[in-house]
Amino acid sequence: SQQGEEDPQALSIQEGENATMNCSYKTSINNLQWYRQNSGRGLVHLILIRSNEREKHSGRLRVTLDTSKKSSSLLITASRAADTASYFCATDNSNSGYALNFGKGTSLLVTP
Amino acid sequence: KAGVTQTPRYLIKTRGQQVTLSCSPISGHRSVSWYQQTPGQGLQFLFEYFSETQRNKGNFPGRFSGRQFSNSRSEMNVSTLELGDSALYLCASSFNVGGTPEAFFGQGTRLTVV
Repeated sequence: SQQGEEDPQALSIQEGENATMNCSYKTSINNLQWYRQNSGRGLVHLILIRSNEREKHSGRLRVTLDTSKKSSSLLITASRAADTASYFCATDNSNSGYALNFGKGTSLLVTP
Repeated sequence: KAGVTQTPRYLIKTRGQQVTLSCSPISGHRSVSWYQQTPGQGLQFLFEYFSETQRNKGNFPGRFSGRQFSNSRSEMNVSTLELGDSALYLCASSFNVGGTPEAFFGQGTRLTVV
């Protein structure tokens, strides 16, 4: 079953603009990861934020986590056409082992 | 460091047949998990192996099975294929020890059942 829900489902912006995607989840988590997927290919790991962290940066990416609201956001600054892809959040809440629960993703289109 | 390698990249099978997919994790990673991605259901967890033991299993029928070898390579098997099994199958590897839970994915195997 899907744990996370990304919002919006689709986002269209121009190069240079910022893109913000949101993710909500239902149960408590150990950590939350964001992935990018280009045209049905493999998932590229972008960033991980642990349940005791509130904000994390990596290059043009900024991720926030609000465990009280069970939500996270991914901000991509100064978007480029190459950022066009689907973005997924994945939560890990397993007590034993490892199992990621994915949302349905946000489809981002960045036009030149 | 080499990434996660999945073989084959593409497969076409007939209903009723069985299929075996392979995944070689990143060197040193002992956790391998499998996911099915379809347009309708999105990304769904199949199962996870760690040191040759299945630790977690998703909500899939028994036709879906897997195993992990001593070198951490993993295979998943789908028997009696159905049209609905057509999907992108993704494998992820993770070190998952000592607070390093990032999961890294392979390029996937695109399975088409006709």
